[in-house]
Amino acid sequence: DTEVTQTPKHLVMGMTNKKSLKCEQHMGHRAMYWYKQKAKKPPELMFVYSYEKLSINESVPSRFSPECPNSSLLNLHLHALQPEDSALYLCASSQVGRGAGGYTFGSGTRLTVV
Amino acid sequence: GESVGLHLPTLSVQEGDNSIINCAYSNSASDYFIWYKQESGKGPQFIIDIRSNMDKRQGQRVTVLLNKTVKHLSLQIAATQPGDSAVYFCAEGFLTGGGNKLTFGTGTQLKVEL
Repeated sequence: DTEVTQTPKHLVMGMTNKKSLKCEQHMGHRAMYWYKQKAKKPPELMFVYSYEKLSINESVPSRFSPECPNSSLLNLHLHALQPEDSALYLCASSQVGRGAGGYTFGSGTRLTVV
Repeated sequence: GESVGLHLPTLSVQEGDNSIINCAYSNSASDYFIWYKQESGKGPQFIIDIRSNMDKRQGQRVTVLLNKTVKHLSLQIAATQPGDSAVYFCAEGFLTGGGNKLTFGTGTQLKVEL
């Protein structure tokens, strides 16, 4: 299995809702990532988990809360989002400390905040 | 600030011709570089990577060249096909103690004309 699977593929939520994005990989990667991508822009790093511990937070607002329950799963909990948070949210995974190491992205969750 | 960018936002080529996509970067501390292809509605797809201590690497129909003197990276695609139409991103990779951090360039839209 060489895939990163993200669910749901599409999500529409109101500004008062609470929702979660999910990501799963079975490649034995011990680093997992959340990126945000706006239309016609490059992906921007949000969070990095290494060995299930949060290692990098790129000054992301607290309305985004990541969680790594185990080495295969990564969640992104969403609460009180703003319309400008609408974007494609990408999950990725890689080996740790070995360069590109199979850095693989999922297909993303298309989030719309209304 | 430091950034990774691309010279051309759109590149149009005839089917069968070779394509060259360029990328300028300004951070000398990168450990490696990756080229990604992103089709509409999909996540970035790994194409090829190169370590910062190399100057050339070849894959199937693709070649990446790295010129550290002028901080320039290029992706050459041989015999471009309609299926190569997509947005191409270069990304600069940094090995950290907790995972690999990628910084993406602006992106180039490659259009293959029949």
